[in-house]
Amino acid sequence: KNEVEQSPQNLTAQEGEFITINCSYSVGISALHWLQQHPGGGIVSLFMLSSGKKKHGRLIATINIQEKHSSLHITASHPRDSAVYICAVPNAGGTSYGKLTFGQGTILTVHP
Amino acid sequence: DTAVSQTPKYLVTQMGNDKSIKCEQNLGHDTMYWYKQDSKKFLKIMFSYNNKELIINETVPNRFSPKSPDKAHLNLHINSLELGDSAVYFCASSQTGEVADEQFFGPGTRLTVL
Repeated sequence: KNEVEQSPQNLTAQEGEFITINCSYSVGISALHWLQQHPGGGIVSLFMLSSGKKKHGRLIATINIQEKHSSLHITASHPRDSAVYICAVPNAGGTSYGKLTFGQGTILTVHP
Repeated sequence: DTAVSQTPKYLVTQMGNDKSIKCEQNLGHDTMYWYKQDSKKFLKIMFSYNNKELIINETVPNRFSPKSPDKAHLNLHINSLELGDSAVYFCASSQTGEVADEQFFGPGTRLTVL
């Protein structure tokens, strides 16, 4: 089973700050997902990474396969970025079907 | 148009009752999932179906029975509800079910067992 650890568990920032959320996992993977869960409860997929770096607007996700580590960065943070950010990786073993193991989530609060 | 929809959004019921949650996706995806999110916001896979065939069946009590009448629908029936079943249940779908596929989530069903 792939163990996933996210840090920090809670993060408070002032509007405009640069945010970094980290995700480490224990078993080599082919893909890593970053998800966002809004305060209202809905979950959306932000990124799927297999190598390198991806950027979408103010969000940047990076992955280092050798170090088994990924980071999610938010530039110029805004109160609307307040949400839970969840990292997910394929579970080790089993089929190739999308059986994901999820991190415990990072609760981000951005104050105006 | 809602891509992945679930009904009901809220479900409050007594211990021992039987209840169902319905999920539908209009994305044309082959694979659908049920996840359970506990009070600490931890998501865990319960079941996955690919083209109506059960693919993933995690260690879930037999009281939980998924049913997929077609690849656009995946329902979850729960018998003899217990207090510990209280959680938010999310349905999701993906194109092929491969681990690299983006998953699209429904809005969740908050189940409260009294």
